[in-house]
Parts: sequence; structure tokens; C-alpha cells
Amino acid sequence: IAGITQAPTSQILAAGRRMTLRCTQDMRHNAMYWYRQDLGLGLRLIHYSNTAGTTGKGEVPDGYSVSRANTDDFPLTLASAVPSQTSVYFCASSEDRDTEAFFGQGTRLTVV
Amino acid sequence: GQNIDQPTEMTATEGAIVQINCTYQTSGFNGLFWYQQHAGEAPTFLSYNVLDGLEEKGRFSSFLSRSKGYSYLLLKELQMKDSASYLCAVRDTGGSYIPTFGRGTSLIVHP
Repeated sequence: IAGITQAPTSQILAAGRRMTLRCTQDMRHNAMYWYRQDLGLGLRLIHYSNTAGTTGKGEVPDGYSVSRANTDDFPLTLASAVPSQTSVYFCASSEDRDTEAFFGQGTRLTVV
Repeated sequence: GQNIDQPTEMTATEGAIVQINCTYQTSGFNGLFWYQQHAGEAPTFLSYNVLDGLEEKGRFSSFLSRSKGYSYLLLKELQMKDSASYLCAVRDTGGSYIPTFGRGTSLIVHP
């Protein structure tokens, strides 16, 4: 089934540890995004990529990095996790930046 | 930047009609999206408006007035499964061109 897949679905992480959240899509979409969703704050954009090989910073990029080596994969890395990064992380993709986004099922991350 | 405002929570009765409003302030409006998100699940696309007027899709309709910075999502013949959060997202011509999400409206449908 075509779609967008995130891994892991949930994770408990010790503060200070490095963690990579994986995101893969098989729809050949050009644009991909990482959001975090916190209660009362809605979805906030962390990083985005309009096409393979390019990335950009969103509203809340600090403490996160991304890469886009190919069309399908868009991993998000937390270099040194902190408790404030406890959140639900959603990866999304769209055909291009003008069209609707399709979301993965999310990764629930708890930093302790 | 953008400022997007939605009510935090609404309740409605099964079978009724509910209107969820979204107001926004943006320097260069370029489209508005509505998404539905059930608890514990991913958001899913409902509608997109870029021109003024009403777009109808079955039980759901979305309206846009660019001059007023205003949109609404209209849900008819409410069903229990419509209990969810409804997210308004506005795209601006400035910056990354990527839509910014409002905080969402939690809709509770009761029998």
C-alpha cells in the first residue's frame, strides 16, 4: 500500500542521547516535512525539504537536523535529546509545496 | 508571519450541523487547508480553498473570504465518527511557502 512510513512508533530516550527518527515515502513526492505536535500548540514545522538534496528550517529547528539524500527518505536527528523534545513527531510529504500533505502515523518520543 | 485563530473546543449533537471557524492574518495569502485528526492518529486532508467561495465535498464544505481573512468548515448530518480535531492551515507567499497550522478545534459529537 502506497504511503508514508515512520519508525519507530514510540520511543523512550535518555536525555543526552542521539536519536534518528526515520521517514520513508513511496509516492515519489518531491516535498517532505517534519512536524512536532504538542498539546495546546498544534503542529509546528521543524524542517522541510522541497526536493531531494535541499532542506530548510521551519518554525522550531533548534536541536534537530535533517538530510534528504534521495526522494524517498527524510530522517530527523536529535543530536543530544532534551526533555523539551518530548512530543509526537509527524513526517509528511506532498507532491510539491502547493498540494496537500500526507502524514505518517507519528512517532511518540519521550525524553527522560 | 501569520496569526491563525480557531476555537479550542466545540460540541454538537449527532445529526446536527456544525461550523468551525478559522481566522487568519497573513502578509501574502496563498491558500487554506483543512485537515481532520482523530485522537492518536495522523491528520488527513479534507479541503483546500484558494479563491473566495464555498467548496462542497459530500457532508463537508469549506468556505473562504480572503478580504475578511476568514474560513469555515461546515459539517452536516454529524456522525459520532466526526468527533476529532479539525486543523486549519494557511499558506503564505513569504518565507518557506509551507502552510502554518492553527492549534486546531476539538469537536465532540454526542448522541
